[in-house]
Amino acid sequence: DADVTQTPRNRITKTGKRIMLECSQTKGHDRMYWYRQDPGLGLRLIYYSFDVKDINKGEISDGYSVSRQAQAKFSLSLESAIPNQTALYFCATSPGGSDEQFFGPGTRLTVL
Amino acid sequence: GESVGLHLPTLSVQEGDNSIINCAYSNSASDYFIWYKQESGKGPQFIIDIRSNMDKRQGQRVTVLLNKTVKHLSLQIAATQPGDSAVYFCAENRGGGSNYKLTFGKGTLLTVNP
Repeated sequence: DADVTQTPRNRITKTGKRIMLECSQTKGHDRMYWYRQDPGLGLRLIYYSFDVKDINKGEISDGYSVSRQAQAKFSLSLESAIPNQTALYFCATSPGGSDEQFFGPGTRLTVL
Repeated sequence: GESVGLHLPTLSVQEGDNSIINCAYSNSASDYFIWYKQESGKGPQFIIDIRSNMDKRQGQRVTVLLNKTVKHLSLQIAATQPGDSAVYFCAENRGGGSNYKLTFGKGTLLTVNP
């Protein structure tokens, strides 16, 4: 969905490096989410935010941090990347009063 | 040992046949369910959703059935086309109400043979 963009789309990095993944949306949605997808494991929630300055941990938040700088932007950071953080990362947004989530195209992260 | 989660359930159908993809859920408090389609290299895309006060909902060529008694959800695709080949995920709002978080299943890989 072009209304939810993620940068970069692909990234290869080394163990111990700090990495930031960016998500931007033009949908005007209040709620934003970061998921991780591993082969055969579906999507798992890392962090979510229901408004600017609202940050909540998901089921697998260890090793990650987030920042909600504005309604339209939600960034995910890996402070010190490790190989088992190699995965596809998806950002999603959701409008107020709805459970439906709209996904970005994903970022493929490889940690060597 | 068991390789849990490394292999997706798969469904292979012939073009033109109907497809049925199943999903079991465990939380009786879940009040919202949604199906997503994910094509290779793309993010999940909404297909259809259903609330727990309904048993069936139809869209264009797709139908979702909800059986709350056995906690089972299914997605039916009529006249399956090659473009339907993708991984299909069910997701549920386990907390209900204003929880606004989705829990995703592991997915089913649908392959449509021409």
